[in-house]
Amino acid sequence: EVQLVDSGGGLVQPGGSLTLSCAASGFSFSSHYMSWVRQAPGKGLEWVANINRDGSGKYYVDSVKGRFTISRDNTKTSLYLQMNSLRAEDTAVYYCVTNLILGSKTFDIWGQGTLVTVSS
Amino acid sequence: QSALTQPPSASGSPGQSVTISCTGTSSDVGGYNYVSWYQQHPGKAPKLMISEVSKRPSGVPDRFSGSKSGNTASLTVSGLQAEDEADYYCSSFAGSSSYVFGTGTKVTVL
Repeated sequence: EVQLVDSGGGLVQPGGSLTLSCAASGFSFSSHYMSWVRQAPGKGLEWVANINRDGSGKYYVDSVKGRFTISRDNTKTSLYLQMNSLRAEDTAVYYCVTNLILGSKTFDIWGQGTLVTVSS
Repeated sequence: QSALTQPPSASGSPGQSVTISCTGTSSDVGGYNYVSWYQQHPGKAPKLMISEVSKRPSGVPDRFSGSKSGNTASLTVSGLQAEDEADYYCSSFAGSSSYVFGTGTKVTVL
């Protein structure tokens, strides 16, 4: 079964750091781009970052550039999001997502999400 | 990287059709045939319903269809059923490995 399991969310103070993890299984992890998408409480979806197959290419939405770092470990079939200098507006459910439909530039597999709350 | 524009809400009676629009720019929706649509029920992760403007993944009912004209994409749900009541989001590839989502539309089955 194809599966993405998100973890690492929690309560963090403004200015703090947190690292999210995503464990992938059931597909050839190293053959696919991976992404993070977030959703603030009661709000819409926002693409945050993605990473290419070997980790050499990383892309970010402007609002997190310089603060967040996406990475992957293909030997552990895992995706990560290191989040620094966190702000209240980063409060959201973070989803690990991927695209198994090669070339379609869509998100067809989603994790269950992990909640990050930035508050003092 | 501005969000794509969707109507906040749409509604229809069971059996009727509802169409949701998704308006972007020539840098996203109008520039690529990579528009997707997602369905999200409360407390759940989004589910892919349409990819590449009009392609339905396996398992998605053929009541769901997508199209695009210029900078505006559309999702039509025909033969509305109670389980179609959910939030719907469009997304588009926006170049340079970036993506943008729509503002979301709440579909109510009357």
